[in-house]
Amino acid sequence: GQNIDQPTEMTATEGAIVQINCTYQTSGFNGLFWYQQHAGEAPTFLSYNVLDGLEEKGRFSSFLSRSKGYSYLLLKELQMKDSASYLCAVRGFQKLVFGTGTRLLVSP
Amino acid sequence: DAGITQSPRHKVTETGTPVTLRCHQTENHRYMYWYRQDPGHGLRLIHYSYGVKDTDKGEVSDGYSVSRSKTEDFLLTLESATSSQTSVYFCAIKGEPNLGDGYTFGSGTRLTVV
Repeated sequence: GQNIDQPTEMTATEGAIVQINCTYQTSGFNGLFWYQQHAGEAPTFLSYNVLDGLEEKGRFSSFLSRSKGYSYLLLKELQMKDSASYLCAVRGFQKLVFGTGTRLLVSP
Repeated sequence: DAGITQSPRHKVTETGTPVTLRCHQTENHRYMYWYRQDPGHGLRLIHYSYGVKDTDKGEVSDGYSVSRSKTEDFLLTLESATSSQTSVYFCAIKGEPNLGDGYTFGSGTRLTVV
């Protein structure tokens, strides 16, 4: 089976940097994904890691350590529009399993 | 737009009635998925399909059935709706290789069972 843990809620200030952690235990691993979901909307793809290390994409970066079962999503230069839920998901065989998500609140 | 649409967007139904949700894609993707999303549980897989007439169960499949008679359509049926099936339902297709084959989601169907 698979178990994915991430914090329920985080708060941060506009312009700051925030790191959202995700730990996982899985019987099979074919990649880790991060999705962003604004309230009332569908999740949208942010990043994908299959090898250890850091993947950078603009203000967002994602890190993976397969040996530790650990990933984080780093958001820089926070903007108000970054207030959303961030979902960590692990791909096993043919399907993605999601964590419960981290709700990020960005304040002025 | 990833070419995936869900219908209806909102539905209110009574306990015990059958309900069918539709997911339609225009991109000829082989894999399609149905998830439900509830507070405190995140997205949970109900059923998925890996081709026409090829489907399999996810982690929360009890009370649900699916059908895929055409590549473009994946139907989710609640045989006899219960209040515990009040949820937001998302359909997804497997995305592009440059996205790691991650999923693209439809806009969701908000279902209320009263």
